[in-house]
Amino acid sequence: ETGVTQTPRHLVMGMTNKKSLKCEQHLGHNAMYWYKQSAKKPLELMFVYSLEERVENNSVPSRFSPECPNSSHLFLHLHTLQPEDSALYLCASSQDIAGISTDTQYFGPGTRLTVL
Amino acid sequence: AQTVTQSQPEMSVQEAETVTLSCTYDTSESDYYLFWYKQPPSRQMILVIRQEAYKQQNATENRFSVNFQKAAKSFSLKISDSQLGDAAMYFCAYLMNYGGSQGNLIFGKGTKLSVKP
Repeated sequence: ETGVTQTPRHLVMGMTNKKSLKCEQHLGHNAMYWYKQSAKKPLELMFVYSLEERVENNSVPSRFSPECPNSSHLFLHLHTLQPEDSALYLCASSQDIAGISTDTQYFGPGTRLTVL
Repeated sequence: AQTVTQSQPEMSVQEAETVTLSCTYDTSESDYYLFWYKQPPSRQMILVIRQEAYKQQNATENRFSVNFQKAAKSFSLKISDSQLGDAAMYFCAYLMNYGGSQGNLIFGKGTKLSVKP
């Protein structure tokens, strides 16, 4: 596969469930991102990882827990979510040179999450 | 704080015609990047075009071009010879160019473009 892939594409979960979203990039990038896309709101940056270290946590509730085991994989662990967390979750990657993330970000297709 | 505004929630264009999507942004920085992304109904966000603020020349990419007015903080996208495949949500985005930015892309709310055959 090429580019940025995300699984699953759709996820329905109850508020007491625990689930994980997976992102994989095949571009040789070393920075990865999680975004939340809600209806009628701009995309919101959630987390940034550079060289497998978290460098940004944009005031995201602790019920969202990211994990970056290597530069190609990024996970978002979900637990005790709320219905308002229902959204499209997008993963992106970019080439991060010397800690300066100004290169173009390439996005995955997203996971459509519904919390019941 | 930086903001990006897309004042046109929806636009429509006839196939083969030209359409311009508007974007304005607010920043006190002088060095930054601007992007247009396209998100078709399949949801994959695709980069359309990128502009470095220090470059005076407007970026072009085949049928897509921008009108970058730095003083006015305006960054519009022109699509020439519109095709049915151009129908999508278009997002304008801003990125600061310094080490502390940490890749924080600031997005507008998007413009939904419809293309009529």
